[in-house]
Amino acid sequence: GAVVSQHPSRVICKSGTSVKIECRSLDFQATTMFWYRQFPKQSLMLMATSNEGSKATYEQGVEKDKFLINHASLTLSTLTVTSAHPEDSSFYICSAGTGPRGYGYTFGSGTRLTVV
Amino acid sequence: SQQGEEDPQALSIQEGENATMNCSYKTSINNLQWYRQNSGRGLVHLILIRSNEREKHSGRLRVTLDTSKKSSSLLITASRAADTASYFCATDGSGGYQKVTFGTGTKLQVIP
Repeated sequence: GAVVSQHPSRVICKSGTSVKIECRSLDFQATTMFWYRQFPKQSLMLMATSNEGSKATYEQGVEKDKFLINHASLTLSTLTVTSAHPEDSSFYICSAGTGPRGYGYTFGSGTRLTVV
Repeated sequence: SQQGEEDPQALSIQEGENATMNCSYKTSINNLQWYRQNSGRGLVHLILIRSNEREKHSGRLRVTLDTSKKSSSLLITASRAADTASYFCATDGSGGYQKVTFGTGTKLQVIP
């Protein structure tokens, strides 16, 4: 089946630094990927939709200059958290559309970001 | 914003009992999916039901979908302690790859 690989699984960074999270579709091409954030004991909130070869579409309230998304190839999307602050500490997870259009999504295993 | 809301928010049952979780959503969908998430871990896809389907089974899981009521239910039969997790429904909009939005989740605890 379709596999989405997300790295790193855990990262600790200092406040003010930037962190890049990768999301790769291993055995299929994903023109569309999605990035989510999950705070403790809460549901997943969609941050942005990443489209290969074009600009990402951000959800309301998500700072596009802070959460940089690059989807330069059909198998890789990256999320860079710039100038990270402790309040950015969260669980970030990506997903990619698989199968016939509109049917099926595969999620990465998530990245636990801790900003100290 | 959340597309779906789930109830109950938390459910505690004895091992062997059945667990039922409900999900309501707001807009038209292509399909609805259920996921499980163990504490602090990634999502595990459980089952996908398409908008033109009414019921689907997978092992001990049974999912129903009522598009007229914009609701779905997940039934786990003969629950096990290993079923302890949070369960989320997720929906996408109709018409191709639309963003998938998650419900608020149900935290299930199965007591051995």
